[in-house]
Amino acid sequence: DAGVIQSPRHEVTEMGQEVTLRCKPISGHNSLFWYRQTMMRGLELLIYFNNNVPIDDSGMPEDRFSAKMPNASFSTLKIQPSEPRDSAVYFCASSFRGADSPLHFGNGTRLTVT
Amino acid sequence: DQQVKQNSPSLSVQEGRISILNCDYTNSMFDYFLWYKKYPAEGPTFLISISSIKDKNEDGRFTVFLNKSAKHLSLHIVPSQPGDSAVYFCAASSGTYKYIFGTGTRLKVLA
Repeated sequence: DAGVIQSPRHEVTEMGQEVTLRCKPISGHNSLFWYRQTMMRGLELLIYFNNNVPIDDSGMPEDRFSAKMPNASFSTLKIQPSEPRDSAVYFCASSFRGADSPLHFGNGTRLTVT
Repeated sequence: DQQVKQNSPSLSVQEGRISILNCDYTNSMFDYFLWYKKYPAEGPTFLISISSIKDKNEDGRFTVFLNKSAKHLSLHIVPSQPGDSAVYFCAASSGTYKYIFGTGTRLKVLA
């Protein structure tokens, strides 16, 4: 059974460029989360979707960040324009119910902005 | 303001012995707690959870204990194996989708 699939695994880009991270959640899961992991702040929730609808985007750091979930099997996180301080590992996670339900994480995308 | 704290950044344990990882929280509204294990270059993997109506949950070699009055939970691994070497995160939620994660404890099990 495939888990959460993220692509690319690594992304190196120059400051000012657009970056798009992709996620395929586990089939049947109705909740999708984007997290960012940094040394300073640990794992932070960026945005939460339930049934493809964004419920909470309060963790999105700036307007440069946007996320979409056009259908139940695909989500994107876009950064435009990217900045060096966006360098981090970005995780996508999905779960069946959202609340009181374990999150299943993908292997993450390591983003480096030079 | 860190609501979930893992005060030990690292821990070394001999193979076969018990590993005890600790986690403290400040929000008394938290009612669901989880432990995740993370290997390098992989995402966190769910290990075990506990609801606030319980004080103990066991799954094979892994046991989580919850002390609500002390706002403390711990993960016991018995016996520890070299494959358990990883970073362990605790997380908590208050009946919503918002999980607050600790900063992790790196466990090294020595053969």
